[in-house]
Amino acid sequence: DAGVTQSPTHLIKTRGQQVTLRCSPKSGHDTVSWYQQALGQGPQFIFQYYEEEERQRGNFPDRFSGHQFPNYSSELNVNALLLGDSALYLCASSAQHTTAQRSFFGQGTRLTVV
Amino acid sequence: AQRVTQPEKLLSVFKGAPVELKCNYSYSGSPELFWYVQYSRQRLQLLLRHISRESIKGFTADLNKGETSFHLKKPFAQEEDSAMYYCALSNAGGTSYGKLTFGQGTILTVHP
Repeated sequence: DAGVTQSPTHLIKTRGQQVTLRCSPKSGHDTVSWYQQALGQGPQFIFQYYEEEERQRGNFPDRFSGHQFPNYSSELNVNALLLGDSALYLCASSAQHTTAQRSFFGQGTRLTVV
Repeated sequence: AQRVTQPEKLLSVFKGAPVELKCNYSYSGSPELFWYVQYSRQRLQLLLRHISRESIKGFTADLNKGETSFHLKKPFAQEEDSAMYYCALSNAGGTSYGKLTFGQGTILTVHP
């Protein structure tokens, strides 16, 4: 089991552009959450997907959107990129119907907006 | 609103010394508390959860609801404990299942 995998690992975009980040959850997991980690900060919750729907959302603007596919993989889309969107984006997966509530994290995608 | 505070950004100790990483939280319901660790060039990984009351790599953490704290402790620090440590909080059950609120992290450095 490769665990949670994210692609790409690094990305450089220009202000105003759009970006798509991808995440494959750990085998057996059906829930995917996305976090933004700015330099020197803890991860901040963006949103969570379960059963192909956004189930809950943090304090992020509508420029941040996502999708979950039938195979549980997920995408994070950010439109109209701002310099302040530069961060490490983490994907975490978990399984809903287990007693052990724990999230497994990917290595992250480092997004730089110039 | 959920909030997690880790008052120390940096913590340095010598090998063999006791270490305590502080974590305070605010949450009106029944929280579930976690410690995550990130070693150099590795992904964020779960260290321990309060409900399992386990000891991992010699670390323990006790939830103190009166003081709203969940401090991480180890009696004898090792050099391999050097890492970034994050305290995190999640609602127990409900629609926020699996959503984590993180503190800002504490960088622990253990000197030889």
